Amino acid sequence: DMKVTQMPRYLIKRMGENVLLECGQDMSHETMYWYRQDPGLGLQLIYISYDVDSNSEGDIPKGYRVSRKKREHFSLILDSAKTNQTSVYFCASSLQGGQDTQYFGPGTRLLVL
Amino acid sequence: GEQVEQRPPHLSVREGDSAFITCTYTDPNSYYFFWYKQEPGASLQLLMKVFSSTEINEGQGFTVLLNKKDKRLSLNLTAAHPGDSAAYFCAVSDNYAQGLTFGLGTRVSVFP
Repeated sequence: DMKVTQMPRYLIKRMGENVLLECGQDMSHETMYWYRQDPGLGLQLIYISYDVDSNSEGDIPKGYRVSRKKREHFSLILDSAKTNQTSVYFCASSLQGGQDTQYFGPGTRLLVL
Repeated sequence: GEQVEQRPPHLSVREGDSAFITCTYTDPNSYYFFWYKQEPGASLQLLMKVFSSTEINEGQGFTVLLNKKDKRLSLNLTAAHPGDSAAYFCAVSDNYAQGLTFGLGTRVSVFP
């Protein structure tokens, strides 16, 4: 059963704290993504990873960084979180590129106080 | 870059009626089109993936239309039922870019 997992599902942090969001997939997909979803703004692409240690900025990378040391695992890091980073974060994976369906994880709801 | 406009933002329909959602995109090189469904508090589930070469695509309880000349992608929920109440997102991709460009979504409510 194809699956994308995210941990944690819910997170509350104070402004200035570091945040680590983790994503895993069991489909041996090459490409993984991080999006954020805000009310009225749809999904916005933060970062793409094409494979291990091969990452590229998306549309809104400022304030975020990523790490992919294993093909099945992709992390999103917020160094010194800001209140405007309160959002729902979705991880997705696809076999390869733009023509392949992206499968989404359940999301992480992050609140930065 | 690609821009996707999705209309309407909200849609309320009676059970058994149709719900029609439209997305227009700007990049003529866009080749792959997706519709996702998101139930409240849940993740995105793929409804349908559409290739550029196919204009009419039938799914279970819905039809997707692609008009490349007008750069328009539409989703028609036929005979809507309460289980169709959700947010629907269109997404567009070309052959080369890796990320999807999403519309802002349409929140559909189906009432008895």
